[in-house]
Amino acid sequence: AQSVAQPEDQVNVAEGNPLTVKCTYSVSGNPYLFWYVQYPNRGLQFLLKYITGDNLVKGSYGFEAEFNKSQTSFHLKKPSALVSDSALYFCAVSYSGNTGKLIFGQGTTLQVKP
Amino acid sequence: DTAVSQTPKYLVTQMGNDKSIKCEQNLGHDTMYWYKQDSKKFLKIMFSYNNKELIINETVPNRFSPKSPDKAHLNLHINSLELGDSAVYFCASSPLWDSTNIQYFGAGTRLSVL
Repeated sequence: AQSVAQPEDQVNVAEGNPLTVKCTYSVSGNPYLFWYVQYPNRGLQFLLKYITGDNLVKGSYGFEAEFNKSQTSFHLKKPSALVSDSALYFCAVSYSGNTGKLIFGQGTTLQVKP
Repeated sequence: DTAVSQTPKYLVTQMGNDKSIKCEQNLGHDTMYWYKQDSKKFLKIMFSYNNKELIINETVPNRFSPKSPDKAHLNLHINSLELGDSAVYFCASSPLWDSTNIQYFGAGTRLSVL
């Protein structure tokens, strides 16, 4: 079955430090991978996606993610965290022929402390 | 001008009632979706429509009935509400029902069934 796992419910980082939010996936065939962010009482906002090509993708607000096929991972990273990055982050996967259906991970709360 | 808008933002109702949630997008997209986010923040797709045609219909009780009068609107009607229906419901849209497309989310409707 197709699935996404975000192994950490919460990640705590000090402002200015690098951050990583982990994501692994299980999909038959080639995955299309996405990161979305949800601020309190708001809808999800798209951050970045990997479809094909360069394994390192850059997105909004200085975030980037690296697609690793052998480890079936798509970890979200940022070199220097901001307090305003504190939010709930979702990894999601889809694949060709899936008619746009996104399968979400359970979400990781990122807490950036001043 | 909000790209994907949902009404109402909050909905409090009694068990057994029937209620509707409305969604409109002004992005010119062909595809719209309904997602349910439970109390643990887990997100799951319920339905999708492409240009008024049903594309995805997940295992959802038939008390839930989506309706798409045109490609800019996707409403969700829920009959005989149950306690377990309490959740945040998100509407989303994308240009096409291709799995590589970014989905744009509304701010959500928080449904509380008492």
